[in-house]
Amino acid sequence: EDKVVQSPLSLVVHEGDTVTLNCSYEVTNFRSLLWYKQEKKAPTFLFMLTSSGIEKKSGRLSSILDKKELFSILNITATQTGDSAVYLCAAADRGSTLGRLYFGRGTQLTVWP
Amino acid sequence: GAGVSQSPSNKVTEKGKDVELRCDPISGHTALYWYRQSLGQGLEFLIYFQGNSAPDKSGLPSDRFSAERTGGSVSTLTIQRTQQEDSAVYLCASSLAKGWGRTGELFFGEGSRLTVL
Repeated sequence: EDKVVQSPLSLVVHEGDTVTLNCSYEVTNFRSLLWYKQEKKAPTFLFMLTSSGIEKKSGRLSSILDKKELFSILNITATQTGDSAVYLCAAADRGSTLGRLYFGRGTQLTVWP
Repeated sequence: GAGVSQSPSNKVTEKGKDVELRCDPISGHTALYWYRQSLGQGLEFLIYFQGNSAPDKSGLPSDRFSAERTGGSVSTLTIQRTQQEDSAVYLCASSLAKGWGRTGELFFGEGSRLTVL
């Protein structure tokens, strides 16, 4: 049973579009939610969210967490072809080591020029 | 090195053979993790090493899987008597410290793609 569910599984947009990626989680003793970008092979860290309602931003990317409804969204505005990647969401519980993150299956984003 | 280095990048083997996958973490990183990513699936935690502490092996899927970390640096993941369901990308990650001061900053290698025929 998946603890982290991402949607959509894939998304195709044109440059300049804005996209919203969804992540819902069900983790006992929730601690944090993390977003990673995976291009080709190695995932790279984007955001960590611990508190509800506080938006984190990095350039055109932003993310927010809702601990009441158990979900997070990742927004990308003015998409570029370089945003094409798999976006992974991961949840950590308080009992886990730093490494034991429960990952979703990812959203494959394709941005056409 | 500058990043986490894994080898081989690709490995094709026959069912029943043993394979070894190597991970060289970022210098100075005390924590090392192995994850597995099967096609269309999320990352599955396998094992975690932290300094000289006993590793957390609770994610290893069967006793055919083992890992060691020598000298607190390089790690080797060994899969014995490989099966077709072992085919996946095996990702290694390292981190500077245990605990949430550097939460989320796992630095991943590019993975070893294992194909079992």
